[in-house]
Amino acid sequence: DQQVKQNSPSLSVQEGRISILNCDYTNSMFDYFLWYKKYPAEGPTFLISISSIKDKNEDGRFTVFLNKSAKHLSLHIVPSQPGDSAVYFCAASEGMTTDSWGKLQFGAGTQVVVTP
Amino acid sequence: DTAVSQTPKYLVTQMGNDKSIKCEQNLGHDTMYWYKQDSKKFLKIMFSYNNKELIINETVPNRFSPKSPDKAHLNLHINSLELGDSAVYFCASSQELPGGTGELFFGEGSRLTVL
Repeated sequence: DQQVKQNSPSLSVQEGRISILNCDYTNSMFDYFLWYKKYPAEGPTFLISISSIKDKNEDGRFTVFLNKSAKHLSLHIVPSQPGDSAVYFCAASEGMTTDSWGKLQFGAGTQVVVTP
Repeated sequence: DTAVSQTPKYLVTQMGNDKSIKCEQNLGHDTMYWYKQDSKKFLKIMFSYNNKELIINETVPNRFSPKSPDKAHLNLHINSLELGDSAVYFCASSQELPGGTGELFFGEGSRLTVL
């Protein structure tokens, strides 16, 4: 039973435009959310995170928005660059206690292709 | 200078064999993990260790046995391999708050193929 869902398996966007990746979750106990980026034959690398006490977090070209009532978060990348072409995973955690920290529930990922 | 390194990167073996995957992190983190990425591309946690102590043990067959000789190493041993064990196994580490940011740092993955 997938508690984190990324319903768009792929996204194609033109260089310089905005990429919007969506993620939905079902577990109301999740209170920490992360986005990871993955290139082929490499491990996922952390991109940006947001705590449930916030509704927005920004880091350079990357912004994550959280709508707790809708159990929805999104990642905005603007402007998109060819190097952003990768698989993006949404992940969620129930909290920061020792026995749950790092127990991330991942979505299936969205393949982003940025075209010149 | 890889932060989280796993060996081997690729492993092809026959059903019924026993194999191990090794993981080492040089980040000084207290917690290490094994995640499995199955054929549907979902990443699922298998185990976590904090300072050599088992913390998380998800519903994983007991053919899988993690071993942490020290907090920088977490190895995964798999007995009596089955076809369904074919997957990419990712090692990861993190430093919990307040000493760290809490994010997981992943290794490059070990692709296991069972024939």
